[in-house]
Amino acid sequence: NAGVTQTPKFRILKIGQSMTLQCTQDMNHNYMYWYRQDPGMGLKLIYYSVGAGITDKGEVPNGYNVSRSTTEDFPLRLELAAPSQTSVYFCASSFFGGGNQPQHFGDGTRLSIL
Amino acid sequence: KQEVTQIPAALSVPEGENLVLNCSFTDSAIYNLQWFRQDPGKGLTSLLLIQSSQREQTSGRLNASLDKSSGRSTLYIAASQPGDSATYLCAVRNTGNQFYFGTGTSLTVIP
Repeated sequence: NAGVTQTPKFRILKIGQSMTLQCTQDMNHNYMYWYRQDPGMGLKLIYYSVGAGITDKGEVPNGYNVSRSTTEDFPLRLELAAPSQTSVYFCASSFFGGGNQPQHFGDGTRLSIL
Repeated sequence: KQEVTQIPAALSVPEGENLVLNCSFTDSAIYNLQWFRQDPGKGLTSLLLIQSSQREQTSGRLNASLDKSSGRSTLYIAASQPGDSATYLCAVRNTGNQFYFGTGTSLTVIP
């Protein structure tokens, strides 16, 4: 019963490097989300997707890109890493619009930009 | 823009005590409200989800209430246990697909 799987769990990047955070879910959920969580702050929505081929911006999309080529996968890409992107990143998924269905979360990716 | 506030930021109680966590939001046009638990170094686990048309939801020792008109929700934990120690987060979904989270209440239950 894997649920939502995020890789890697930890990563250190240098300023200006790029990387992709991977997220996959095996629950056949159509909605997927990316959040970041900074110390002492609530989670902020970066991007979300309502189905394969459809993505939309959340509250804090600048500096990130996403794609959704399959139902299962929703990778998050950082093109030019900046210290302000040091954070814990969470991927989540839910069924239909999530209106009456809870979101399921992965364990997070802890990213440091030095 | 929706603002979600959770008070208190931290709470410490002796084992067995009943307790209430608070969540308030500024825009009452919500679709639902969800309570989560987060353990250190882990992701979020959904506890209860209340639809905008509902007043409360119960699961075991947990009871969540929603007063949409006043912009408030509470999470009641009965007979607290050390295993309940965690951070509790509430999140509201607006009528779009945007979710807004509070900063959480860190709960410690002392044996």
